[in-house]
Amino acid sequence: DARVTQTPRHKVTEMGQEVTMRCQPILGHNTVFWYRQTMMQGLELLAYFRNRAPLDDSGMPKDRFSAEMPDATLATLKIQPSEPRDSAVYFCASGWTNTGELFFGEGSRLTVL
Amino acid sequence: QKEVEQDPGPLSVPEGAIVSLNCTYSNSAFQYFMWYRQYSRKGPELLMYTYSSGNKEDGRFTAQVDKSSKYISLFIRDSQPSDSATYLCAMRAGNQFYFGTGTSLTVIP
Repeated sequence: DARVTQTPRHKVTEMGQEVTMRCQPILGHNTVFWYRQTMMQGLELLAYFRNRAPLDDSGMPKDRFSAEMPDATLATLKIQPSEPRDSAVYFCASGWTNTGELFFGEGSRLTVL
Repeated sequence: QKEVEQDPGPLSVPEGAIVSLNCTYSNSAFQYFMWYRQYSRKGPELLMYTYSSGNKEDGRFTAQVDKSSKYISLFIRDSQPSDSATYLCAMRAGNQFYFGTGTSLTVIP
């Protein structure tokens, strides 16, 4: 049963610390998205990769967030330094180009104290 | 105006009822229309996916797209307590997915 795998599932950290979230997309998918979900804003796009190349990171605070895809099986989202307002659930999703099918992981719930 | 508008609810119905969930949109470029179900503390799960106007049925679920009115619907027949979740509509144009804020549904036994 193919699925998107995210780690960690939960993370509690203190303000100023570095946070790294990891995602293993479904094998064969060529697009990867990072989203942040909050009660107030819903799902917000942070970054989008196609064939491992970053195509859109306009939704990401550039000064503290970075997203990479070092190989086809791993995407990372890093926050440095973290702030309390970064507390949210971060989702990774993968799919194919030019389809409507996007498959989400279970999310990484981040709490920054 | 948001690209996708969805009534947040909450919606509460008795078991066995027919549920109608709706979204409106403003962007004529949307080509793909999806419905996701999200249980509490879980990731969104793709429920239905359509490419064009018309109806698509899958078991108790029917997705309807009316491009002329820029309106999509999800109907759930014979609703079950296990259908209690948040339902998000989503649409795609080019590289971008646009999500509604979700409608919270509770099916009461």
